[in-house]
Amino acid sequence: GQNIDQPTEMTATEGAIVQINCTYQTSGFNGLFWYQQHAGEAPTFLSYNVLDGLEEKGRFSSFLSRSKGYSYLLLKELQMKDSASYLCAVRDFAHRSGGSYIPTFGRGTSLIVHP
Amino acid sequence: DADVTQTPRNRITKTGKRIMLECSQTKGHDRMYWYRQDPGLGLRLIYYSFDVKDINKGEISDGYSVSRQAQAKFSLSLESAIPNQTALYFCATSDTGELFFGEGSRLTVL
Repeated sequence: GQNIDQPTEMTATEGAIVQINCTYQTSGFNGLFWYQQHAGEAPTFLSYNVLDGLEEKGRFSSFLSRSKGYSYLLLKELQMKDSASYLCAVRDFAHRSGGSYIPTFGRGTSLIVHP
Repeated sequence: DADVTQTPRNRITKTGKRIMLECSQTKGHDRMYWYRQDPGLGLRLIYYSFDVKDINKGEISDGYSVSRQAQAKFSLSLESAIPNQTALYFCATSDTGELFFGEGSRLTVL
């Protein structure tokens, strides 16, 4: 199975840049997802990485290093509405059914953006 | 209308009662999942199904059962609810990529 670690809480200032890290251990990596979840709401998909490198999508970027078992989510030009939990989810060969793979979630990082 | 709909959105019940949470989707996905979320513990997988005839246990299936009535419907049952099943429950669907979540069902067991 996986062991997925994320910081519990982070704080940052409006307009700044914040990096949320995720480390994982798997028996066979098959992709990493980042989700955003506002309080009391459903998680929503942000990004997917399966190959090493940086994926950029507007103010949000996600990086993956498979050899290090490491990913980060980078949020630029922070806005108050970015205050939310950020969930890292890893999909691997150890959790599969019928040739597909099941993602397992980390405990999430609560990001607080203050003025 | 939401693509993934859960009912009820909120439910308060008593220990020992049978509870069913329902999920329906209009995304046409074959894969459906039930997760529970507890403060500080993140999302944990209860059951998942890859088609109507496929049911698989997740990491915390004890005390729960599921039924996949059709491609679009996946229900979660608590046969005899207990207080430590108080949590926020999410249904999700997927194709081969990311998960799409319902709005959640908040269950309180007294």
